[in-house]
Amino acid sequence: EVQLLESGGGLVQPGGSLRLSCAASGFVFSAYAMTWVRQAPGKGLEWVSGLSGSGERTYYGDSVKGRLTVSRDNSKNTLYLQMNSLRDEDTAVYYCAKERDDSGGYYIDFWGQGTLVTVSS
Amino acid sequence: QSVLTQPPSASGTPGQRVTISCSGSSSNIGSNYVNWYQQLPGAAPKLLIHSNSQRPSGVPDRFSGSKSGTSASLAISGLQSGDEADYYCAAWDDSLNGYVFGTGTKVTVL
Repeated sequence: EVQLLESGGGLVQPGGSLRLSCAASGFVFSAYAMTWVRQAPGKGLEWVSGLSGSGERTYYGDSVKGRLTVSRDNSKNTLYLQMNSLRDEDTAVYYCAKERDDSGGYYIDFWGQGTLVTVSS
Repeated sequence: QSVLTQPPSASGTPGQRVTISCSGSSSNIGSNYVNWYQQLPGAAPKLLIHSNSQRPSGVPDRFSGSKSGTSASLAISGLQSGDEADYYCAAWDDSLNGYVFGTGTKVTVL
């Protein structure tokens, strides 16, 4: 059974930093690209960042480029999101998710339960 | 800022059929597969339909997806109270080089 467990969320002041972690189990972690998706309170879903299985290729949404960095440690089956220069508008639940990209195209097939990041003074 | 447009709400009585539309462009829906996610209140999203019309194991056949040109739709037949949720379409966007979601549709069972 695929399980994704996020941690590291919390309250941070504007301009501050935070690192989110996502512990994965139930599949061969290194074989799959992973992604982060966020959801501001009462709002829709926003794709934030993606990372290939090897960690060599990264992708970022325009709103977070230069401030958020995605990485992974395949020996620990863990995905990370380093968040710097945080802004009020970064307040959201951050979901870790597993990607699929095959003959059926690209999609997210499993999601974690999310971790809340609140940026406020 | 969503690039895929959905109606904000849809509703029906138990047993009815409800359809949700998703409008995009040539760089996303027009050239890539469409996926649909269901988000029950207070829960994480769940994959409902992938590759335009494929249901993952465990998803009832009451849910069906289709795509035509730069638009897609999700149909829910035999509507049940447990279907009350937010529904999001999504697709890869070749111009943005990222995954884009729809604006979301809240389905209410009357």
